[in-house]
Amino acid sequence: DVKVTQSSRYLVKRTGEKVFLECVQDMDHENMFWYRQDPGLGLRLIYFSYDVKMKEKGDIPEGYSVSREKKERFSLILESASTNQTSMYLCASSTAGSYQPQHFGDGTRLSIL
Amino acid sequence: AQTVTQSQPEMSVQEAETVTLSCTYDTSESDYYLFWYKQPPSRQMILVIRQEAYKQQNATENRFSVNFQKAAKSFSLKISDSQLGDAAMYFCAYRSEGEHGNEKLTFGTGTRLTIIP
Repeated sequence: DVKVTQSSRYLVKRTGEKVFLECVQDMDHENMFWYRQDPGLGLRLIYFSYDVKMKEKGDIPEGYSVSREKKERFSLILESASTNQTSMYLCASSTAGSYQPQHFGDGTRLSIL
Repeated sequence: AQTVTQSQPEMSVQEAETVTLSCTYDTSESDYYLFWYKQPPSRQMILVIRQEAYKQQNATENRFSVNFQKAAKSFSLKISDSQLGDAAMYFCAYRSEGEHGNEKLTFGTGTRLTIIP
């Protein structure tokens, strides 16, 4: 069974901390995505990557960075967490020829206190 | 910029009945893709159905079908014979057809569907 695994379902951090959200997929997919989901706003793309060490900004990249050192792993980094980054974060992946997300992780509900 | 509007924040339907979720979008492009995603409570989001704008025929996937009206920029999802497992948040999404670097999906705000036993 195909899998996109996010390291934490729930995470609580403090303002100013550097936060890492990890995502691993076992499908050998080229494309990986990080979305943020907020009530009334739907899903918004933070960053995506179409290859190792490649990244593209999405709609709301401010305050975030990403890392893709290996094909299967795509990390989202909050450089200095702020309370307005409290949200649900979804990781997704897709094959090279399919740029819409095909498989999603369970999500990480992040609270910044 | 493209926008996707789901005007129904919540809907409910009796089990075994048919329900239609609405979605409209705004674009100046002629070639694009439209999607419906389903996010069950506490479960992973999954792709339900996809429509290419150049295709006149409406996409269907078992009990799920779409009514794609390109001129009206409307893309509704019909769920027939509703089942308890259909309870979820449904998101409509749009993607441009274009060269690499233009793959971003634009999502609507979602419709929460409740199935009444």
